[in-house]
Amino acid sequence: DARVTQTPRHKVTEMGQEVTMRCQPILGHNTVFWYRQTMMQGLELLAYFRNRAPLDDSGMPKDRFSAEMPDATLATLKIQPSEPRDSAVYFCASGLLQGGNQPQHFGDGTRLSIL
Amino acid sequence: ILNVEQSPQSLHVQEGDSTNFTCSFPSSNFYALHWYRWETAKSPEALFVMTLNGDEKKKGRISATLNTKEGYSYLYIKGSQPEDSATYLCAPRGSNSGYALNFGKGTSLLVTP
Repeated sequence: DARVTQTPRHKVTEMGQEVTMRCQPILGHNTVFWYRQTMMQGLELLAYFRNRAPLDDSGMPKDRFSAEMPDATLATLKIQPSEPRDSAVYFCASGLLQGGNQPQHFGDGTRLSIL
Repeated sequence: ILNVEQSPQSLHVQEGDSTNFTCSFPSSNFYALHWYRWETAKSPEALFVMTLNGDEKKKGRISATLNTKEGYSYLYIKGSQPEDSATYLCAPRGSNSGYALNFGKGTSLLVTP
């Protein structure tokens, strides 16, 4: 079965360091989402792309977070500088959204710990 | 953003029990409702996407209904098994929110033998 692939699976780093998380969507999917899982908020949407164009990044702290999709097979989420409050599990999901009612397929997540 | 409430927050049943939980959302600007199943240490897995009032979907022992006029969806599990233990998330999509889903905090189900 095709899967969304996220790397790294785990990342531990010190406050102030740059963190880059990568996502390879399922081949042929045209929409890519970045979510963050926290205890308080559950799954919150950070940003998403459709046909590689950013459609919504209103959930993302703009001062330190950036999301890009340099090509159809790679989406990145960067945090610079990282802070302890960024510690969370970050999920990428992709979907082939035509009419918009197709499900999203999630990767296994990147567990990020900022010390 | 559609406000979504799921209840109960957690549920503990015995193997063989049938159970159900609720997802409530604003009925205005409704476009679709997604249900996901999320096992611990894994990633969310899509169960259903529902759009029409009165929709009923079924996957094995799990089924869901949708009432868009009053803004709720029920998820039912018939004859719960320990492998059904997971968090069940609902996520409505609004007609004015693009492709974004607004996930509820989920109902955490534990099924013990």
